[in-house]
Amino acid sequence: QQQVKQSPQSLIVQKGGISIINCAYENTAFDYFPWYQQFPGKGPALLIAIRPDVSEKKEGRFTISFNKSAKQFSLHIMDSQPGDSATYFCAASGTNDYKLSFGAGTTVTVRA
Amino acid sequence: NAGVTQTPKFRVLKTGQSMTLLCAQDMNHEYMYWYRQDPGMGLRLIHYSVGEGTTAKGEVPDGYNVSRLKKQNFLLGLESAAPSQTSVYFCASKEYSEQYFGPGTRLTVT
Repeated sequence: QQQVKQSPQSLIVQKGGISIINCAYENTAFDYFPWYQQFPGKGPALLIAIRPDVSEKKEGRFTISFNKSAKQFSLHIMDSQPGDSATYFCAASGTNDYKLSFGAGTTVTVRA
Repeated sequence: NAGVTQTPKFRVLKTGQSMTLLCAQDMNHEYMYWYRQDPGMGLRLIHYSVGEGTTAKGEVPDGYNVSRLKKQNFLLGLESAAPSQTSVYFCASKEYSEQYFGPGTRLTVT
């Protein structure tokens, strides 16, 4: 049973558009919410992460929005570029967790 | 500083054969993990280790064994490979929050 539910499974966006990926969780003990980016043939790499003390975190064109009461968080990719085409995973863990719970992944394709 | 490395990169096994996947990290991390990645399933944790000499089961441990005899190495073994173990396997290590992943091993069991 996946502890973090991610949607959509895939999305296609035009260059310059906004990509939005959503994740939901049930475990209220989660307090660390990272997003990983994976290019074909490579391992995932940390893209951006947020803790529940803030509702939004921005790094360049990537923004995490966090809604603690709804137990949801999302990744927004602004001004999407073909180089952003990748699979994105959301994840969550608690303070005393050694491990991350991953979402199923979203494949983003940015068309030029 | 190579980070996390995995060997081999590709392998084809016949049903019933055994093999060991090697993960090595040069960041002196305490925690190490083995995941499998299958289409539509995300990353599923097989086994993990919180330090040298320790191992623990993850979500999908059946059919796999692990050992962490040295802090820098984490081995994943398949004693009797099955077609259901066809997957891409990733190793990761971490010290604080961020997990660092290796490049993966693509395993096919025929």
